[in-house]
Amino acid sequence: AQTVTQSQPEMSVQEAETVTLSCTYDTSESDYYLFWYKQPPSRQMILVIRQEAYKQQNATENRFSVNFQKAAKSFSLKISDSQLGDAAMYFCAYRRNFGNEKLTFGTGTRLTIIP
Amino acid sequence: ETGVTQTPRHLVMGMTNKKSLKCEQHLGHNAMYWYKQSAKKPLELMFVYNFKEQTENNSVPSRFSPECPNSSHLFLHLHTLQPEDSALYLCASSKGTSGIEETQYFGPGTRLLVL
Repeated sequence: AQTVTQSQPEMSVQEAETVTLSCTYDTSESDYYLFWYKQPPSRQMILVIRQEAYKQQNATENRFSVNFQKAAKSFSLKISDSQLGDAAMYFCAYRRNFGNEKLTFGTGTRLTIIP
Repeated sequence: ETGVTQTPRHLVMGMTNKKSLKCEQHLGHNAMYWYKQSAKKPLELMFVYNFKEQTENNSVPSRFSPECPNSSHLFLHLHTLQPEDSALYLCASSKGTSGIEETQYFGPGTRLLVL
């Protein structure tokens, strides 16, 4: 079974600095998707960024970028120029690219932004 | 806003009550999901509907009964719940259930407390 591990339950970063959240996963598949979701205190889960495993280029979305290491099964999220609005729980998720496969989530990392 | 709404946002019920959670998506998606989010645990997928047909029941107890009358609406009917069912219940939708179309968009959740 696939598992997703987020080893940092909590992280904090100074405003305007850069922070990296780690995620590792376990799979024997080669074709899959990886996601980072953000859940602010208002609770609405928001998709931050996604990565297709067959793409070698790391995905980026404005201040958010990933470091996808397929061989190491690592998928870290880098947040540059951290802002107060980035404070949230961040969840890493995996899904095999096969019909009706479910998302497998990690336990989350709570990110605090220090003004 | 992600286009997925849930009502009510908070619900307190006794173990003998019957209540329903409602989810509506305004994104033109065809698939909808129910998740349970408990503290310090990964999100647990409960049910998946694709084109109104249930495609997954993740071993959920029968006291949870889903209903999907159309692709835009999803209900979760609750009866004789237990205190351990207290959690945040999240609804999500996606365009499809395979490939990149299964990127899921979440609602704000219903915080349920069972007394």
